[in-house]
Amino acid sequence: DQQVKQNSPSLSVQEGRISILNCDYTNSMFDYFLWYKKYPAEGPTFLISISSIKDKNEDGRFTVFLNKSAKHLSLHIVPSQPGDSAVYFCAASKGANSKLTFGKGITLSVRP
Amino acid sequence: NAGVTQTPKFQVLKTGQSMTLQCAQDMNHEYMSWYRQDPGMGLRLIHYSVGAGITDQGEVPNGYNVSRSTTEDFPLRLLSAAPSQTSVYFCASYDNQETQYFGPGTRLLVL
Repeated sequence: DQQVKQNSPSLSVQEGRISILNCDYTNSMFDYFLWYKKYPAEGPTFLISISSIKDKNEDGRFTVFLNKSAKHLSLHIVPSQPGDSAVYFCAASKGANSKLTFGKGITLSVRP
Repeated sequence: NAGVTQTPKFQVLKTGQSMTLQCAQDMNHEYMSWYRQDPGMGLRLIHYSVGAGITDQGEVPNGYNVSRSTTEDFPLRLLSAAPSQTSVYFCASYDNQETQYFGPGTRLLVL
């Protein structure tokens, strides 16, 4: 049973528009959530995180929103740029230093 | 500062062969992990370590062994390779902060 779900396998947006990547989780013990970005033939790189005591965290063009009651988080990228085209993984853990459970990833394509 | 390094980058094995995937980090991180990435499956945790001499199983540990004799190194051993172990393997390390630093990956093909 997958505890972290990214139900949309891909997303295509126009450059300059907003990209919204969604993630759902089933384990109510998760209290720390992260987004990773991965380019082909490279390892994932950390993008942004949020703990369950917050409902929003912002870093430049990237904002993560957490809705604990719905067990849902989303990553907003505004404005989207062609260099944002990559696979984005949502991950969750029980505590900031605990092992991560990843979703399947979503492939974002930003069209020039 | 090289971060997390993995060797080899690519390997072809025959069924039943054994091999060790190497992972090293120079950031003095206590925590290290091994993941495999398969199409449509995302990243799945194989084994992890919370410090030298301490290891534990992740989500998909069968067919793999690990050891952590030093803080820097965390090798992953395939005892008897199977085609189901064809995958891309990522090693990661992290400290008390929020992030995991991943290596560039090892692509393994088992025939």
